[in-house]
Amino acid sequence: QSALTQPASVSGSPGQSITISCTGTNSDVGNYDRVSWYQQHPGKAPKLMIYEVSQRPSGVSDRFSGSKSGNTASLTISGLQAEDEADYYCCSYGRGGSWVFGGGTTLTV
Amino acid sequence: EVQLVESGGALVQPGGSLRLSCVASGFTFTSYSMNWVRQAPGKGLEWISYIPTSGTRTWYPDSVKGRFTISRDNAKNSLYLQMNSVRVEDTAVYYCARDVNYSLDYWGQGARVTVSS
Repeated sequence: QSALTQPASVSGSPGQSITISCTGTNSDVGNYDRVSWYQQHPGKAPKLMIYEVSQRPSGVSDRFSGSKSGNTASLTISGLQAEDEADYYCCSYGRGGSWVFGGGTTLTV
Repeated sequence: EVQLVESGGALVQPGGSLRLSCVASGFTFTSYSMNWVRQAPGKGLEWISYIPTSGTRTWYPDSVKGRFTISRDNAKNSLYLQMNSVRVEDTAVYYCARDVNYSLDYWGQGARVTVSS
């Protein structure tokens, strides 16, 4: 399976909102509501931020939200804070029992 | 507190073998499917294996299929990754991660594997 497509980088100022897109195919993103998003700070393990397209795990700020339209999923971060600066990865369950990640997006605040 | 602790990372020569372990604590290990995910230096995340609670069937991407084997010992709360015929491109940090609702909700701190002669 090919990696999902994410922009390499996005940036925003404190307090602003940004959206990171994640484009797959009708074999993964478009066919399953099994999209998740992960935040990774340098040298740290990834942290789950969104699951099942738009669900937030307990403890994750409601400034993080997810959505999907067709083969493209999106992560929106509102009220940007300095601590949000990190790499973000989308992931989708795919046909045949596999998972595929996006290439990652570096967020600069 | 949920904890996943990997071990076994090392420097290994191309063509060699290595086994990674991941010990789970703080949750009922037998109730969760598990995954291995790796991250090459300066690169993104790559899913490399999945095992359900029973361990009766496993899944891999083409990049490691036939070379890597995921297994689990529910009595020991442990997950394993047997890596055979390793290649330079297998150099990465390897994470074990717990699977919930087709997402990975807890991750270990990672085990570093370097393949080099």
